[in-house]
Amino acid sequence: NAGVTQTPKFRILKIGQSMTLQCAQDMNHNYMYWYRQDPGMGLKLIYYSVGAGITDKGEVPNGYNVSRSTTEDFPLRLELAAPSQTSVYFCASSYPGVNNNEQFFGPGTRLTVL
Amino acid sequence: AQRVTQPEKLLSVFKGAPVELKCNYSYSGSPELFWYVQYSRQRLQLLLRHISRESIKGFTADLNKGETSFHLKKPFAQEEDSAMYYCALKIGNMLTFGGGTRLMVKP
Repeated sequence: NAGVTQTPKFRILKIGQSMTLQCAQDMNHNYMYWYRQDPGMGLKLIYYSVGAGITDKGEVPNGYNVSRSTTEDFPLRLELAAPSQTSVYFCASSYPGVNNNEQFFGPGTRLTVL
Repeated sequence: AQRVTQPEKLLSVFKGAPVELKCNYSYSGSPELFWYVQYSRQRLQLLLRHISRESIKGFTADLNKGETSFHLKKPFAQEEDSAMYYCALKIGNMLTFGGGTRLMVKP
């Protein structure tokens, strides 16, 4: 199993550009999450999904959108990139009721908005 | 609102010394707490969970509801313990993370 995969690894955007961060998992996990990690800070939840077709906002959803059309994929969309969105983005997945819903993380995407 | 605080951004100890990474939480309900670790060039992974009362890689953590703490301890630190450590509070399906502590174990 590849686990949780994220693409791209790095990206530089100009203010106002848009992009999609890709996340996929091959563990048949129902739950998927997007976090951002700013320098020196903990991870903050952006959006999460408990299954295909179901998404919900986390702590810091403004400026982002998500969709969950399949169990495997959970892309994160930035429509109008802003410097405040410079961060490292982590995707995670879990299966409810297994090991206290342990979350498995992807390697992260480092995004810089200039 | 729920909150997780890790007061030390950096903790530096010598190999063989005891180590304690502090974690305090605020939550009105019954907490479920975890420690996650990120080694250099590796992804974030679960280290241990309070409900299991387990010892992983020599680390233990006890939930102290009176002090609202979940400190991570190891009696003898090893160089391979150097990493970022995050305390996390689980509420429903979501985790709230602390700011993390970088542990550096010097030879």
